[in-house]
Amino acid sequence: GNSVTQMEGPVTLSEEAFLTINCTYTATGYPSLFWYVQYPGEGLQLLLKATKADDKGSNKGFEATYRKETTSFHLEKGSVQVSDSAVYFCALSNAGNMLTFGGGTRLMVKP
Amino acid sequence: NAGVTQTPKFQVLKTGQSMTLQCAQDMNHNSMYWYRQDPGMGLRLIYYSASEGTTDKGEVPNGYNVSRLNKREFSLRLESAAPSQTSVYFCASTPNSWGDTEAFFGQGTRLTVV
Repeated sequence: GNSVTQMEGPVTLSEEAFLTINCTYTATGYPSLFWYVQYPGEGLQLLLKATKADDKGSNKGFEATYRKETTSFHLEKGSVQVSDSAVYFCALSNAGNMLTFGGGTRLMVKP
Repeated sequence: NAGVTQTPKFQVLKTGQSMTLQCAQDMNHNSMYWYRQDPGMGLRLIYYSASEGTTDKGEVPNGYNVSRLNKREFSLRLESAAPSQTSVYFCASTPNSWGDTEAFFGQGTRLTVV
């Protein structure tokens, strides 16, 4: 079956630091890959997505590249802000099937 | 823009009590979903409704029932609450069944069963 593995958090960074949150997946075929973000007290919202190998999703300074050879979709940002503090979820959807989520990674950015 | 609306936002139940979580979307989406979120486990699918008039079990359906009342509304019922059902519950919707489209989530219902 499908599965998504994320690095455990919390990840604590100082403002303007570089961010990487690792995500690897197991799936048959060619899944679509997503990063969702959950700000405190809110529901999840889509941050970015990639639908085929080598695609790069980007939004709000965040990027992730669909790497089929390493089955990875790592999230990166060059300079984090306090406002980026949230929980980040990697997810996949395969052949129209339901979204499968990773366990989530909490990011805390300190001024 | 309301999007996906869930009620209530918070609820405390005693073991054995029943309750219904309500969800409504105003985006004319066909597919709706109920997830539960537990620490370190991400979101797990409880039930989903691919289209009006259909419902199917997800990964963790035991102890729950659902009703797709119409295209807009999808409710989740706990008939006899147990402490293991303490969680945060999210409703979500998509235009059609999952593919590469964005899912829209409600703000969640934090349920505590004592």
